[in-house]
Amino acid sequence: DTAVSQTPKYLVTQMGNDKSIKCEQNLGHDTMYWYKQDSKKFLKIMFSYNNKELIINETVPNRFSPKSPDKAHLNLHINSLELGDSAVYFCASSQAIGAGGRNEQFFGPGTRLTVL
Amino acid sequence: AQKITQTQPGMFVQEKEAVTLDCTYDTSDQSYGLFWYKQPSSGEMIFLIYQGSYDEQNATEGRYSLNFQKARKSANLVISASQLGDSAMYFCAMRETLWAGNMLTFGGGTRLMVKP
Repeated sequence: DTAVSQTPKYLVTQMGNDKSIKCEQNLGHDTMYWYKQDSKKFLKIMFSYNNKELIINETVPNRFSPKSPDKAHLNLHINSLELGDSAVYFCASSQAIGAGGRNEQFFGPGTRLTVL
Repeated sequence: AQKITQTQPGMFVQEKEAVTLDCTYDTSDQSYGLFWYKQPSSGEMIFLIYQGSYDEQNATEGRYSLNFQKARKSANLVISASQLGDSAMYFCAMRETLWAGNMLTFGGGTRLMVKP
């Protein structure tokens, strides 16, 4: 059983388009995240979403918006795509913030977005 | 300033030997957690090991151990008896105060290559 899944795995699109990446977790976790990994493999947090509370990394452009229809899903919408948005996007999940201890994050397989 | 620094962009190790991957961190928080993740060429992120800032003993998970030196702010990963399957990118990450969305800050990664 896949713990954290993302669709699509690959996404190729033109500049200016709007696209979405879906994420689902079946771990019963309360917190979900989106990370961006650039071409140099650097990973950066974009959002954290816990119990309807959204925490945003201030460096993320407002063209990016997470949407959570329920606790098991956190989708990423990107408007007006730019060349610099090309990257691998990872969804992750963990137990609730404040759970303490290890509370490691489980990552999805990633979505490779290419903007032409 | 970099919060997580991994000074070794790439390393080679002979199969069956031990290898240490360096990680230094910077935080003013008293309570924080340090993580190591592995990213094979297939792209997924795999959790390896965790060390809490208040843990008195170094963490161990099978062939992985963490050499935690709090005063030096270092959390080096030691892999014993390297295997060919250990060839991958390795990321050190830090989770600071729990209110900050439980988000992880990653280092730039170290690419480990195991030679047969």
